[in-house]
Amino acid sequence: DGGITQSPKYLFRKEGQNVTLSCEQNLNHDAMYWYRQDPGQGLRLIYYSQIVNDFQKGDIAEGYSVSREKKESFPLTVTSAQKNPTAFYLCASSRTGLSTDTQYFGPGTRLTVL
Amino acid sequence: AQKITQTQPGMFVQEKEAVTLDCTYDTSDQSYGLFWYKQPSSGEMIFLIYQGSYDEQNATEGRYSLNFQKARKSANLVISASQLGDSAMYFCAMREEIYGQNFVFGPGTRLSVLP
Repeated sequence: DGGITQSPKYLFRKEGQNVTLSCEQNLNHDAMYWYRQDPGQGLRLIYYSQIVNDFQKGDIAEGYSVSREKKESFPLTVTSAQKNPTAFYLCASSRTGLSTDTQYFGPGTRLTVL
Repeated sequence: AQKITQTQPGMFVQEKEAVTLDCTYDTSDQSYGLFWYKQPSSGEMIFLIYQGSYDEQNATEGRYSLNFQKARKSANLVISASQLGDSAMYFCAMREEIYGQNFVFGPGTRLSVLP
């Protein structure tokens, strides 16, 4: 089945550690996105990528890094510079970056800093 | 300024009745897309319905319809014949042509369907 997978579902991190969240899609979509969601809030864009080897910062990129070496994969690293990383992280993809194209989401990763 | 406003933090509806979730948006683009997503307690965002700014007909997908009033910049979601499984958070989102790579989400409305 085509879709977006994220792993792990739950992730615990000690302060000062970097962690990497996985996002894979087999929809052959060009564009991929990372969002952060805090309790009771909407989604905020962290990074997005329109094409392999290219990505752009979103609204809250500080303390995060990404790579896009393959079309199917868009991993997100939460660095120790992110001061309040506990949140729910959602990865999404769309066929292109056009306004008519729907974003489809993965199941999310819940990150908790201990 | 907020680009997407959802004025109802929480809504209740009786099972089998219809409910309207409000969404207003702000854009100066002529070409844009409006989307509704459902987020159950599991957390996954489920795409429900899409309306393009140039679409003259209101979008419909099964029990979901979008009441699009372009002049008023509103894109309300109507759920007919509510079911218990409709209880979830609902988010309105917009994608502008100029900034087409970026979705902007509203704060969401929590819908509770009562038996």
